[in-house]
Amino acid sequence: QVQLQESGPGLVKPSETLSLTCTVSEYSISSGYYWSWNRQSPGKGLEWIATINHGGSTYFNPSLKSRVTISVDTSKNQFSLRLTSVTAADTAVYYCARYLAIGFYFDFWGQGTLVTVSS
Amino acid sequence: QSALTQPPSASGSPGQSVTISCSGTSSDVGGYNYVSWYQHHPGNAPKLMIYEVSKRPSGVPDRFSGSKSGNTASLTVSGLQAEDEADYYCSSWTPSTYVFGTGTRVTVL
Repeated sequence: QVQLQESGPGLVKPSETLSLTCTVSEYSISSGYYWSWNRQSPGKGLEWIATINHGGSTYFNPSLKSRVTISVDTSKNQFSLRLTSVTAADTAVYYCARYLAIGFYFDFWGQGTLVTVSS
Repeated sequence: QSALTQPPSASGSPGQSVTISCSGTSSDVGGYNYVSWYQHHPGNAPKLMIYEVSKRPSGVPDRFSGSKSGNTASLTVSGLQAEDEADYYCSSWTPSTYVFGTGTRVTVL
């Protein structure tokens, strides 16, 4: 079955840029579907960040849109997240997931990676 | 768009049933049949349990069921088992964003 694995720095300084990559296995991103990033801040619920499809069409949470870039690299079967000007409020476990645009749900998730924003 | 409202906790003894509510508005839960539920054991990947209000993915036990009435969706776990102890999140698609619930910790007594 589809597997997703997040990777990237676990510590980012305030005002800098958070960069994460999700590597997908057992499924070719170029074959279709949509791909998303979600996060969960300590003690809080889940939050959708952004979604991209294999063709590069993107969708963003309006509250984060100005700071977020999402991209896909089909040659590496990966998709990535960049979040600029981070603050302590961006400290969270970041999850990548596959998203079905028919039905609007996430059917496979990664285990998540903790990113702490601190100097 | 505010998070959907769930009770912080719910509990039941093995074999009993527990129902978790997910309260939204006519702009999210009440407006579309695109409510899904996720089970999350901390440290693991979240798992899809219900999609499109009441549909179960392959492999999810039929002890899990979903429903919706007005602006409130519900997840019922029947015949509680120890492995059902986890956090549960509802979610809803809207034309402008995607919103999750606040989460419910289910404890099997």
